[in-house]
Amino acid sequence: GENVGLHLPTLSVQEGDNSIINCAYSNSASDYFIWYKQESGKGPQFIIDIRSNMDKRQGQRVTVLLNKTVKHLSLQIAATQPGDSAVYFCAENIGGGGGADGLTFGKGTHLIIQP
Amino acid sequence: DAGITQSPRHKVTETGTPVTLRCHQTENHRYMYWYRQDPGHGLRLIHYSYGVKDTDKGEVSDGYSVSRSKTEDFLLTLESATSSQTSVYFCAISERAGGTNSPLHFGNGTRLTVT
Repeated sequence: GENVGLHLPTLSVQEGDNSIINCAYSNSASDYFIWYKQESGKGPQFIIDIRSNMDKRQGQRVTVLLNKTVKHLSLQIAATQPGDSAVYFCAENIGGGGGADGLTFGKGTHLIIQP
Repeated sequence: DAGITQSPRHKVTETGTPVTLRCHQTENHRYMYWYRQDPGHGLRLIHYSYGVKDTDKGEVSDGYSVSRSKTEDFLLTLESATSSQTSVYFCAISERAGGTNSPLHFGNGTRLTVT
């Protein structure tokens, strides 16, 4: 595939169970965070975002939690389905003032859904 | 796919030859970006554009140039391709500057192999 799965940590989950994918970010000044999903052969797909003035945000079957004290971000996927198998990675805005070079991407976690 | 088309999807070229990758969007977004994705690295910004004929360098711009003559098209050129430029290239668009509370939306990538 065209993702970077060969060098990524892997999380294996049973279908129907909940998944939690973690991301440690680098800069305490980061104020905006995004989670992406990338399937083999495709580009990253936006899942959900969160601003630093929030601790939690929910979408459809997904929840993002932000812990600014320990600079930790997590993505929870409820009732995982085979279609959730992909690489997931977070991005943070470390620029503060905006601009394209303020966005830094993590390397990702490969989520595998077992039948 | 957020109305983003990248062409070609695959290309094999020889060292020293020029290569141009094209990104076309139908969303009329102001900001456009070129990233590369390699094993062991997150997405890395090559160049970006904040308007017609307005471009700037990213983290890994050496060996690359860009042009944006129309809102909808953003071209990435490798003047003289090298093997280190073998990668998957992604174009992205955004309504506002990436990282200022506005996610990037990506195309499906171009796999470039330099032999």
